[in-house]
Amino acid sequence: GENVEQHPSTLSVQEGDSAVIKCTYSDSASNYFPWYKQELGKGPQLIIDIRSNVGEKKDQRIAVTLNKTAKHFSLHITETQPEDSAVYFCAASWNSGGSNYKLTFGKGTLLTVNP
Amino acid sequence: NAGVTQTPKFQVLKTGQSMTLQCAQDMNHNSMYWYRQDPGMGLRLIYYSASEGTTDKGEVPNGYNVSRLNKREFSLRLESAAPSQTSVYFCASSEALQLRAQYFGPGTRLLVL
Repeated sequence: GENVEQHPSTLSVQEGDSAVIKCTYSDSASNYFPWYKQELGKGPQLIIDIRSNVGEKKDQRIAVTLNKTAKHFSLHITETQPEDSAVYFCAASWNSGGSNYKLTFGKGTLLTVNP
Repeated sequence: NAGVTQTPKFQVLKTGQSMTLQCAQDMNHNSMYWYRQDPGMGLRLIYYSASEGTTDKGEVPNGYNVSRLNKREFSLRLESAAPSQTSVYFCASSEALQLRAQYFGPGTRLLVL
């Protein structure tokens, strides 16, 4: 299977600062890495994803970087706003046999953006 | 376009009772999933359905059964609820199993006394 470690478990920043969340994975064959944002009482929402043939992907204030050699990927949020406060989960897709792929999730990072 | 919907939103059961959690998606996705979320444990896969007519076990299937009723609907059944099944349950769907984004429903909060 796959093992995904996510750090830090909690992160507090001032509004306008940047936030970085890091994840490592164990299966070198993993090739799809999504990030989810979960607000209190809601389901996880996909915010950005990256495939193993790409090193970096940006979407406005959010970016994800992937280092396949080191087997880690990171979420970068710039110019943070109070509405960015939520739990963020990383995940890695791994092949469970044949053409079946599953996602393994990190344990989450609680991001608090202080006004 | 509602995405993924789940019913009920909240349920309280007594140990030994049974219930079925319902999930439906309107995105014409082939694959559907059931996860449970516990504090400090992240999301763990219970069962999944790669396509209509197929279901497979995930990481934590014991105590659960599933039915892929049609392409839209995927239900999760607890035959004899236990306190260890107190959790938040999420249904998700994706175009296919292979490297596709999964979209989640709002969740069902289950308390087993």
